[in-house]
Amino acid sequence: GAVVSQHPSWVICKSGTSVKIECRSLDFQATTMFWYRQFPKQSLMLMATSNEGSKATYEQGVEKDKFLINHASLTLSTLTVTSAHPEDSSFYICSARRGGNSYEQYFGPGTRLTVT
Amino acid sequence: GQNIDQPTEMTATEGAIVQINCTYQTSGFNGLFWYQQHAGEAPTFLSYNVLDGLEEKGRFSSFLSRSKGYSYLLLKELQMKDSASYLCAVTLSGGYQKVTFGTGTKLQVIP
Repeated sequence: GAVVSQHPSWVICKSGTSVKIECRSLDFQATTMFWYRQFPKQSLMLMATSNEGSKATYEQGVEKDKFLINHASLTLSTLTVTSAHPEDSSFYICSARRGGNSYEQYFGPGTRLTVT
Repeated sequence: GQNIDQPTEMTATEGAIVQINCTYQTSGFNGLFWYQQHAGEAPTFLSYNVLDGLEEKGRFSSFLSRSKGYSYLLLKELQMKDSASYLCAVTLSGGYQKVTFGTGTKLQVIP
């Protein structure tokens, strides 16, 4: 099977600081990675789509300067929450998709961010 | 815009059958996913339907009608561990095959 990891699994940071979350595809090359945010008792909201070597495509309402996404290689994408505020506290989940005709997305275990 | 609707909550009895419906209105449609998500965990893949009809995988089956913008997930022989949220998600046509999730249905299985 395809395995996607995220690091860290949880993080607590102070308001105003920046936090970086890593998403890695461990046993396959992911041409596309997606970043989602999930608030309690709500569904996943797509934040951005990231392709290796190119700029991420952000969904409407997501601030690109606040949520920096870097897809540096075919196995790694990072999400940096800059100048975090308490309202950024959420469950952040990444998923990765193989290239070609593959349709399935493989989800990472998620990162719970708490901003105090 | 995209609109994907599911019931918010459902309750069913252990050993029974439950059907979770999903209706969608999207601009561009490629296929429909069903995912299972336990609280505090990432979603796990259940099924992906592209063509009309029913696909069966063990206790779980998924149905799609593209003309009606309708899908359902059927769970048979319910077990307590099936208590989870079930997410309907639509893959839109386009280069990156973006996936848009519905609101999710929280299923509670009771003894």
